[in-house]
Amino acid sequence: EAQVTQNPRYLITVTGKKLTVTCSQNMNHEYMSWYRQDPGLGLRQIYYSMNVEVTDKGDVPEGYKVSRKEKRNFPLILESPSPNQTSLYFCASTPLAGGFNTDTQYFGPGTRLTVL
Amino acid sequence: GNSVTQMEGPVTLSEEAFLTINCTYTATGYPSLFWYVQYPGEGLQLLLKATKADDKGSNKGFEATYRKETTSFHLEKGSVQVSDSAVYFCALSSRQETSGSRLTFGEGTQLTVNP
Repeated sequence: EAQVTQNPRYLITVTGKKLTVTCSQNMNHEYMSWYRQDPGLGLRQIYYSMNVEVTDKGDVPEGYKVSRKEKRNFPLILESPSPNQTSLYFCASTPLAGGFNTDTQYFGPGTRLTVL
Repeated sequence: GNSVTQMEGPVTLSEEAFLTINCTYTATGYPSLFWYVQYPGEGLQLLLKATKADDKGSNKGFEATYRKETTSFHLEKGSVQVSDSAVYFCALSSRQETSGSRLTFGEGTQLTVNP
């Protein structure tokens, strides 16, 4: 089954304790991205990756890191989490065509993070 | 920059009622427009899309028409069901020179349909 998976689905942590949220897709998509969803703000892009070893900042990158060592995986790293990073996080992937992504993004089920 | 504005929610309807969720956008060039749906506890799924002016996207009884003159992409359904209860997001996609397409989302509208 074609899908995007995220782990963990739920996480409660404390300020300053490094954490990683994993994201994996089995569709061989080149483009992957991370979003955070906050009430009244919709989804905002954190980071994206056009392909292996190619990553760039989205609209709200502060406090986050990513890596893309393999095509299928795109982990989100919070080196020193703070309470304002409490949010619902989504990973998404999409194939490229002609060097551009093809608009339709496939989303993972989400990770609800609480930072105390 | 690009932006998407959706009607404020939440929206509560009775089964078989007519649904409209308004969406307007601001963008340069010719963006593609989307409606995504998020069912409880799940990620977003593409509901429908339109890639050029006057295109109508449709799926599962939902429709939306790309109106360039009014910069709108309103979502409609003639008769909603309880199973349509979800959060609906309007989004636009515009091509960037170096980064390919990027999605800009509206705030989302919570729809609850009562039996």
